[in-house]
Amino acid sequence: TQLLEQSPQFLSIQEGENLTVYCNSSSVFSSLQWYRQEPGEGPVLLVTVVTGGEVKKLKRLTFQFGDARKDSSLHITAAQPGDTGLYLCAGVGIYNQGGKLIFGQGTELSVKP
Amino acid sequence: DAGVIQSPRHEVTEMGQEVTLRCKPISGHNSLFWYRQTMMRGLELLIYFNNNVPIDDSGMPEDRFSAKMPNASFSTLKIQPSEPRDSAVYFCASSLTGGLRETQYFGPGTRLLVL
Repeated sequence: TQLLEQSPQFLSIQEGENLTVYCNSSSVFSSLQWYRQEPGEGPVLLVTVVTGGEVKKLKRLTFQFGDARKDSSLHITAAQPGDTGLYLCAGVGIYNQGGKLIFGQGTELSVKP
Repeated sequence: DAGVIQSPRHEVTEMGQEVTLRCKPISGHNSLFWYRQTMMRGLELLIYFNNNVPIDDSGMPEDRFSAKMPNASFSTLKIQPSEPRDSAVYFCASSLTGGLRETQYFGPGTRLLVL
């Protein structure tokens, strides 16, 4: 079974601080996605990374896929209260067909003004 | 586009009762996914369909759970009989073809509480 472990599970920071969330596995993934989920809503896709070593930026968010495609990180610069939410990584295993996603447990981020 | 529509949004029922959750995927999407989210286990895939055909139901907990997709615009997830441990948020998601790089669009979820 392919598993994704996220760390930290909970993160509470002040507005303006930087943070990094990690998503690790012992398995190789074809692609890695990051989602953000707000209370009472479903997850919303932020980014998909496919190539080992790939870096993608979305405003203040930087996503990186590890060279071996076993891990990924999400870095937020100058966090704002609007960044508060549950961040989920999800991977598609190399042997999977049909887009079956395996989700990490999530990182609950709270940004205080 | 209305997005993925789920109903009901909230359901409270008693142990032993039948529960039916409904989902309408985004029009034109050929893949549909049912997920369950709990604090303990996070977000888990229960079953997914491609072109209305169940492809992988290995995540369905047990025989009490069943899912159908009678046509491209409607799917149901049924729990019979329900148990307190089934309490969770159930999400439906859809994507265009279920490919590796595709976005899955999630509905708002159904919050189920089994007493």
